[in-house]
Amino acid sequence: DTGVSQDPRHKITKRGQNVTFRCDPISEHNRLYWYRQTLGQGPEFLTYFQNEAQLEKSRLLSDRFSAERPKGSFSTLEIQRTEQGDSAMYLCASSSGQGATTQYFGPGTRLLVL
Amino acid sequence: EDQVTQSPEALRLQEGESSSLNCSYTVSGLRGLFWYRQDPGKGPEFLFTLYSAGEEKEKERLKATLTKKESFLHITAPKPEDSATYLCAVHGRSQGNLIFGKGTKLSVKP
Repeated sequence: DTGVSQDPRHKITKRGQNVTFRCDPISEHNRLYWYRQTLGQGPEFLTYFQNEAQLEKSRLLSDRFSAERPKGSFSTLEIQRTEQGDSAMYLCASSSGQGATTQYFGPGTRLLVL
Repeated sequence: EDQVTQSPEALRLQEGESSSLNCSYTVSGLRGLFWYRQDPGKGPEFLFTLYSAGEEKEKERLKATLTKKESFLHITAPKPEDSATYLCAVHGRSQGNLIFGKGTKLSVKP
């Protein structure tokens, strides 16, 4: 049984560069979520997909952030023109069904912007 | 505005010393309350889901309870391996996402 996987696990980049993260959800989970977590805080919601449709985006998701889930399976999160304030752990989660179902999280991608 | 507040921020226990963690919430139409455990540098690990007031769930040394305004995570006779940050989250009626508290960092000393 494979859980949610994320790649890469760590990323160091220079300010102004673009980065892309990948998330592979639990097989057949129709919902996929992206969260961001900084030190000492709980995860903060960024966006979520139901199948390939992006249904909700947080106000935290500036126009430098874009997420896709083209075939309703894996998802990518891209950050353009990175800023030091983007340094955080980016978490992906997936769930099945409708409504308030349990979300299962991946190991996260830790981003450091120098 | 929907909100989750966890207390205390940090808790130090001796091995075997039972205690409780609190999660207070305000949300328009609670559809579920979730407890997760998070180890340093890792993603949250699911523990429990509670859907209605009066509901209780147990797993090993952990027991979660829910009222209309708060939830408790009771830890009975903790061991050092229970040391982690425990996160509480709610799923409201108008949201597709979870709203998390800041967590309680638990340290259990042998």
